[in-house]
Amino acid sequence: DAGVIQSPRHEVTEMGQEVTLRCKPISGHDYLFWYRQTMMRGLELLIYFNNNVPIDDSGMPEDRFSAKMPNASFSTLKIQPSEPRDSAVYFCASSKQGYSPLHFGNGTRLTVT
Amino acid sequence: AQSVSQHNHHVILSEAASLELGCNYSYGGTVNLFWYVQYPGQHLQLLLKYFSGDPLVKGIKGFEAEFIKSKFSFNLRKPSVQWSDTAEYFCAVNAGGTSYGKLTFGQGTILTVHP
Repeated sequence: DAGVIQSPRHEVTEMGQEVTLRCKPISGHDYLFWYRQTMMRGLELLIYFNNNVPIDDSGMPEDRFSAKMPNASFSTLKIQPSEPRDSAVYFCASSKQGYSPLHFGNGTRLTVT
Repeated sequence: AQSVSQHNHHVILSEAASLELGCNYSYGGTVNLFWYVQYPGQHLQLLLKYFSGDPLVKGIKGFEAEFIKSKFSFNLRKPSVQWSDTAEYFCAVNAGGTSYGKLTFGQGTILTVHP
């Protein structure tokens, strides 16, 4: 079990640039979650998928953020254009079923200058 | 919507001291409760969970938590901490009937244990 794999681990970009964060869930897990962690707001759920279908995106802060899951083994979170206030650690997590606890990835630390 | 409050931002203890981290939630319906831990440089890991039944739940590494419904609390305890318990601890709540991954987290409590 390789765990949830996120890339890149660190991303530094300039304001206005497009940023794409990637996640590979644990094989066989059919739920995938994107969380964001900031000092001010703590850990917040952005969006989650079940069987590659977005179920709840009410946490996505604004239209600059989008997430996709084209297949069971890959998801992306895209920010376009990025802003300094998007600087945070973005976590991806997966679970086998809706009623199983989460397995988190190591996160992507995003810095927007 | 539910909310979670962790009262202590940073707790500093010496090894062998007892630990209790407070967690209160706000939600009128059935909840599932979790404690996650994040060791330095690592990802969040599940420490323990409460779904139903015995309100005293035991987790990994000697941790336990007690669900007190009347107080909307789910405090984390450990009788004797070790240096290796240094980490950030997150309480989280999930509204019953929704995916266990749809969590509302508290702000986290940083625990520093001095040897």
